[in-house]
Amino acid sequence: GAVVSQHPSWVICKSGTSVKIECRSLDFQATTMFWYRQFPKQSLMLMATSNEGSKATYEQGVEKDKFLINHASLTLSTLTVTSAHPEDSSFYICSAPAGTSGVGVSYNEQFFGPGTRLTVL
Amino acid sequence: AQKITQTQPGMFVQEKEAVTLDCTYDTSDQSYGLFWYKQPSSGEMIFLIYQGSYDEQNATEGRYSLNFQKARKSANLVISASQLGDSAMYFCAMRSYNTDKLIFGTGTRLQVFP
Repeated sequence: GAVVSQHPSWVICKSGTSVKIECRSLDFQATTMFWYRQFPKQSLMLMATSNEGSKATYEQGVEKDKFLINHASLTLSTLTVTSAHPEDSSFYICSAPAGTSGVGVSYNEQFFGPGTRLTVL
Repeated sequence: AQKITQTQPGMFVQEKEAVTLDCTYDTSDQSYGLFWYKQPSSGEMIFLIYQGSYDEQNATEGRYSLNFQKARKSANLVISASQLGDSAMYFCAMRSYNTDKLIFGTGTRLQVFP
């Protein structure tokens, strides 16, 4: 099946610094990727939709200037948490729906990266 | 607006028994897909099963089956012959084909005991 990777898998940073998380589709092209955030013992909350070649669209309540998204190519989307604070500590997961573009990929699936655990001190 | 509801925060089941995890949804879309994912403690999201809104047959994938009742807007997951390794969080999700967004329910923590 299709594979989505994320890097780094975990990161610890000081308050006020910026952190970049990469999401790559390894064997298929993804014109769309989604970024989710998951707090402990909670569900995945959709933050934004990353679109290749255009601006990301953010869900209500998500700060665009704090969570910068860049979909630089058909296989790479990045999420940058700017001026991170302890309340930004969370599990960030990217995802790409199958069928956006690619041979042999079933449309009925959505593939997730392994997630990035961010801890802001 | 779309909404997914999972009313069972936690479920217990004995090994080798079957268990049903409930999921109801709300949408005004005619075309949508319903998913179930398993999330073990490692955090990875494992795809289990998919049901399209126009599929007339209930989806099955090995020990997993989806009890799809469109009129009642429910998409319950049935796990047969539970195994200790099934202990995890289970999320029901829905994707609208208008937006491609996948929206999740609050999840059910399943614990399988010997």
